[in-house]
Amino acid sequence: QVRLVQSGAEVKNPGASVTVSCKASGYTFTTYGISWVRQAPGQGLEWMGWISPYNGNTGSARSLQGRVTMTTDTSTSVVYMEVRNLRSDDTAVYYCARTPYCSTTSCYSWFDSWGQGTLVIVSS
Amino acid sequence: DIVMTQSPDSLAVSLGERATIKCKSSQSILYSSNNKNYLAWYQQKPRQPPKLLIYWASTRESGVPDRFSGSGSGTDFTLTISNLQAEDVAVYFCQQYFGAPLTFGGGTKVEIK
Repeated sequence: QVRLVQSGAEVKNPGASVTVSCKASGYTFTTYGISWVRQAPGQGLEWMGWISPYNGNTGSARSLQGRVTMTTDTSTSVVYMEVRNLRSDDTAVYYCARTPYCSTTSCYSWFDSWGQGTLVIVSS
Repeated sequence: DIVMTQSPDSLAVSLGERATIKCKSSQSILYSSNNKNYLAWYQQKPRQPPKLLIYWASTRESGVPDRFSGSGSGTDFTLTISNLQAEDVAVYFCQQYFGAPLTFGGGTKVEIK
């Protein structure tokens, strides 16, 4: 079955960077996109961006102001998301999600399978 | 950005009754070239990731019980849970994928009356 397994919780100081990984299994890795969605404590869902493991193309939300980088390692079926210059309002659970409806240039889609989530706490 | 507005924020429904959740988009999310509405619905239980219920506004994801149904077009959409079960207690979100940034509704909490 489809599984997305994320790395463990992180605690970071403001201004630091964090990298969250997402290992996929149970399907052909390059035939689906992977998106990232975060959820601040007690809040709603915020889309962060996507990556296509097929060609490495990415897209991200303007609100993240270029602080996010997504990469993929097709040899291990792992996607990485780095957030730089962390602020307190980046404190959230970060989810990776399989993204089925991708073109060659974008992955604007629903999300049909989700990782378990990674809690990132930004605090001094 | 397309703003997704859900209503109500919460509702309490008796077991076996119907729950109706509304989602309104700030602009049409119906793509004329394929006549599809770019809308999905999710269920999220405490301490769990969201679970996909519906996409293309009305297509039920495989394995989702048929008491969950989606309807609507353009800017106004509805998720209906017929014959509410105890395991349906959760927060429900709508999401548009018509264009970036992809956006979610604020969520509707469903409880048992």
